[in-house]
Amino acid sequence: AQTVTQSQPEMSVQEAETVTLSCTYDTSESNYYLFWYKQPPSRQMILVIRQEAYKQQNATENRFSVNFQKAAKSFSLKISDSQLGDTAMYFCAFRSGNNNDMRFGAGTRLTVKP
Amino acid sequence: DGGITQSPKYLFRKEGQNVTLSCEQNLNHDAMYWYRQDPGQGLRLIYYSQIVNDFQKGDIAEGYSVSREKKESFPLTVTSAQKNPTAFYLCASSPHRDSGEQYFGPGTRLTVT
Repeated sequence: AQTVTQSQPEMSVQEAETVTLSCTYDTSESNYYLFWYKQPPSRQMILVIRQEAYKQQNATENRFSVNFQKAAKSFSLKISDSQLGDTAMYFCAFRSGNNNDMRFGAGTRLTVKP
Repeated sequence: DGGITQSPKYLFRKEGQNVTLSCEQNLNHDAMYWYRQDPGQGLRLIYYSQIVNDFQKGDIAEGYSVSREKKESFPLTVTSAQKNPTAFYLCASSPHRDSGEQYFGPGTRLTVT
């Protein structure tokens, strides 16, 4: 079974600075999707960014970008120009391309300090 | 507005009672999912449904039951057989079986005493 590991339970960053959240996963599949979700204090899960495994180019969404290293099975999230509203739990998720099986990491609690 | 609704936001029940959590979506999505979230943990899949009248167990289905009689609705019943029912429950949907991302509802916090 696929597993997703987020090795940083908590992180903090100063407003306007850059922070990188780590995620590794384990799979034997070649076709899959990777996601970062944000869960603010409201607990609403919000999709931040997605990456298809077959795409070599790293996904970007405004201030959010990923470093996808397929061989290393690594999928880190970089947040540039951090804002107070970025304070949240961030979950890395893996979804098989063959079924609906979606696996989440344990999450990283990010605090942006003014 | 299109979206996923879960009601109520907070639910309290006495031990030994069954309770049903509501999940409705008007996104015309085929697939729907139920997750459980405990403190310090990620989301764990309880049940999912790819089409009407069909559903499959996830990793932690014991003590739970679901139905999918309508495309837009996927209620979850937490039965008295569930040993530790107090948790945050999230419902999600995705457009079709092979779609990547899932869209989430606002969640229901269930407390059983």
